[in-house]
Amino acid sequence: LAKTTQPISMDSYEGQEVNITCSHNNIATNDYITWYQQFPSQGPRFIIQGYKTKVTNEVASLFIPADRKSSTLSLPRVSLSDTAVYYCLVGDSWNAGNMLTFGGGTRLMVKP
Amino acid sequence: DTAVSQTPKYLVTQMGNDKSIKCEQNLGHDTMYWYKQDSKKFLKIMFSYNNKELIINETVPNRFSPKSPDKAHLNLHINSLELGDSAVYFCASSPGTSGGELFFGEGSRLTVL
Repeated sequence: LAKTTQPISMDSYEGQEVNITCSHNNIATNDYITWYQQFPSQGPRFIIQGYKTKVTNEVASLFIPADRKSSTLSLPRVSLSDTAVYYCLVGDSWNAGNMLTFGGGTRLMVKP
Repeated sequence: DTAVSQTPKYLVTQMGNDKSIKCEQNLGHDTMYWYKQDSKKFLKIMFSYNNKELIINETVPNRFSPKSPDKAHLNLHINSLELGDSAVYFCASSPGTSGGELFFGEGSRLTVL
């Protein structure tokens, strides 16, 4: 079971790019990397998922180096509404339990 | 229409009582889950059902009993509530059991006094 390590918290300012790195040294060959965002009093919401190199969608980018032992979630030009907890998960199958437990996440605070 | 809905949103009760939390999803998904989020914000899987059948049962006290009357519903019943059961409980669903996106409900905050 690939364990993930993320910073507990990060601060940023509106308009800046924010990069949150997740370490997953024992990631397995079939594992995907998935990021979720959680606002207070809400359930987590899927942001992005990737396997290798770079994935981009309308919300974020996910950078995964060749060794896949880490990944970086990049949020371009954050706003106050991006203040949330961001979770990194690694695994290949819900059934196998690999992706089922979220860690403590990274609490991002965006300031004006 | 809310994709994954839970009721009640807040629940305050005394130790020793029995309570239930209901969950419904209108996404047509085959798999539903119950998660518990503690005060440190760790989200831990409790149960997972696929087409009304239990497929994951983590180390959860048997005071917790999930019930899935159909694949759109997964209810959580808790007997003999204890102080440590206080948490936010999230229901979620996914299209299948092999990866992909989880859709979460808004959560049910349970407070045991």
